[in-house]
Amino acid sequence: DSGVTQTPKHLITATGQRVTLRCSPRSGDLSVYWYQQSLDQGLQFLIQYYNGEERAKGNILERFSAQQFPDLHSELNLSSLELGDSALYFCASSVGVGSNQPQHFGDGTRLSIL
Amino acid sequence: AQSVTQLDSQVPVFEEAPVELRCNYSSSVSVYLFWYVQYPNQGLQLLLKYLSGSTLVESINGFEAEFNKSQTSFHLRKPSVHISDTAEYFCAVRVADSSYKLIFGSGTRLLVRP
Repeated sequence: DSGVTQTPKHLITATGQRVTLRCSPRSGDLSVYWYQQSLDQGLQFLIQYYNGEERAKGNILERFSAQQFPDLHSELNLSSLELGDSALYFCASSVGVGSNQPQHFGDGTRLSIL
Repeated sequence: AQSVTQLDSQVPVFEEAPVELRCNYSSSVSVYLFWYVQYPNQGLQLLLKYLSGSTLVESINGFEAEFNKSQTSFHLRKPSVHISDTAEYFCAVRVADSSYKLIFGSGTRLLVRP
């Protein structure tokens, strides 16, 4: 158990809809990262937050947004969903923002768009 | 730009045989290197990491990896595999600059046969 909790584990919805994925980092971790794992793109970094503020952005679509709340949990919002958004979305956390700090991953949320 | 190449998409081996999963990276700056393992229907688990110091790093379950700067490689090895080692293995780099993301390889599926 990595200590990172993601909910829900599975999500099935239709095109055009909006969903919210939730992540609770390990106790004491201030930094949260979101990744997308798909068959065609592999594992891709989406966005990172540290102590409530956005710190780095990757290949995140404009239809996607995220935030980190004062209690340090984070939410990833996906809107106007398309079939290609079907993927496994991972959240990871680390203590701080140093490049040498390993990230610990949750079990992911599997999003299926019908 | 940084990148990670895992040359083998799948490596089949017999139980108790040795295995090497190859990983090469490209970066013009210092990097930190990681191996993650993903068991079926589970999230990513940190297997081992190279941050600095000894170029040979070991995990608690018998895997080891060697950082070779001249060859820009971080191959993962195990002298004798078990059926339970069947999983997807991802090599990742994290650059030592202001971006904190992990860049993942495409993964190698280790399939251990009895």
